[in-house]
Amino acid sequence: SYVLTQPPSVSVAPGKTARITCGGNNIGSKSVHWYQQTAGQAPILVISYDSDRPSGIPERFSGSNSGDTATLTVSRVEAGDEADYYCQIWDTTSDRVFGGGTRLTVL
Amino acid sequence: DVQLVQSGAEVKKPGESLRISCEVSGYRLNKLWINWVRRMPGRGLELVGKIDPSDSYTNYNPSFEGHVSISVDTSINTAYLQWSSLKASDTAIYYCAAQDMATTPLEYWGQGTLVTVSS
Repeated sequence: SYVLTQPPSVSVAPGKTARITCGGNNIGSKSVHWYQQTAGQAPILVISYDSDRPSGIPERFSGSNSGDTATLTVSRVEAGDEADYYCQIWDTTSDRVFGGGTRLTVL
Repeated sequence: DVQLVQSGAEVKKPGESLRISCEVSGYRLNKLWINWVRRMPGRGLELVGKIDPSDSYTNYNPSFEGHVSISVDTSINTAYLQWSSLKASDTAIYYCAAQDMATTPLEYWGQGTLVTVSS
């Protein structure tokens, strides 16, 4: 089955740039979606189809996808960005549609 | 705007049955696919399964198949996740999430239902 691999944690100082990766075999050929889940809240979609930003999501959030790695980039990180981030694909060969999640800590 | 409102927290004993709900407003349920997603304490998101309300076609994560059941009542725009015999390991927050089609992003999420199973 297809596996999505994320680092368990990423730490960044306020105002800096955070990059959260999502690895998978030839993931660049698939559409990757990213979700943010802050403590006690439901997940929200922050990036769809690799790099599209839904309405209401700040421009500081961007995405890319090529080769074996998709990346969510959060620029000018703020305290409110501290959350768990999940990459997600739809793949008929896998029951694991979400990556393991990355905890973004703002120092 | 599409809104998903879930039923309240539940506390059950092992072996008991349970049905939790997800009411959709602002859109016709049969124009959306409804997914159920689990988050266990200290763990990440897991897809439980999904349903196409237009024909009640369901697709379950093999890890959950046979243990849960997903259904809809389109007359009241509501989807359900049901257990006939709960286990302590079912303790988790369960989210419903809606998408336009089977392979589009999960754009709309419910607020989550905490299910606690304890003797």
